[in-house]
Amino acid sequence: QQPVQSPQAVILREGEDAVINCSSSKALYSVHWYRQKHGEAPVFLMILLKGGEQKGHEKISASFNEKKQQSSLYLTASQLSYSGTYFCGTEIRGATNKLIFGTGTLLAVQP
Amino acid sequence: DTGVSQDPRHKITKRGQNVTFRCDPISEHNRLYWYRQTLGQGPEFLTYFQNEAQLEKSRLLSDRFSAERPKGSFSTLEIQRTEQGDSAMYLCASSLEDGGRQPQHFGDGTRLSIL
Repeated sequence: QQPVQSPQAVILREGEDAVINCSSSKALYSVHWYRQKHGEAPVFLMILLKGGEQKGHEKISASFNEKKQQSSLYLTASQLSYSGTYFCGTEIRGATNKLIFGTGTLLAVQP
Repeated sequence: DTGVSQDPRHKITKRGQNVTFRCDPISEHNRLYWYRQTLGQGPEFLTYFQNEAQLEKSRLLSDRFSAERPKGSFSTLEIQRTEQGDSAMYLCASSLEDGGRQPQHFGDGTRLSIL
């Protein structure tokens, strides 16, 4: 039931782009994206509903394909501050109100 | 606007002892969630409240775990007869109620270590 994220880890140089994917085996109502730095709380990035695409903030955007039960997070012109572990949190149709978090993607941005 | 506050930040206890954690959500949020996170994993849902009502509890949660939100404001999570496997970060989150369109804001968590 846990969504699978890919890649598991990625190393970037500042200014490079990255894509993080989240794939669920269940029909989804919404997808939430979070970034968590070591020892800190997960920080909300954005929510996607019903196949909509929403730009959160800075140079981070995401898409949600309801039919494929997938979401992707796009980070462009990465900055050092983007480093951390990214999690997708999914709300499953018929079981909303709680998030099922994905396996996580560790992103390291180097100077 | 203060964020979600959790207390204590760290708790070390011996196996078999009881522990209680507190969470103060963002003041206008009527939903409150508890999650557990182990190293390298995403947060795992435990339970959630809407106001003072506990509406869902994970089937993974043993009877040793209990949570309350007596006045619809702060919440407590108690673990009785702690076991080694209870060692984890316990995260609290809160949100407004809006059918999943509202973000959950997390506190910094309580890290529990069982000796």
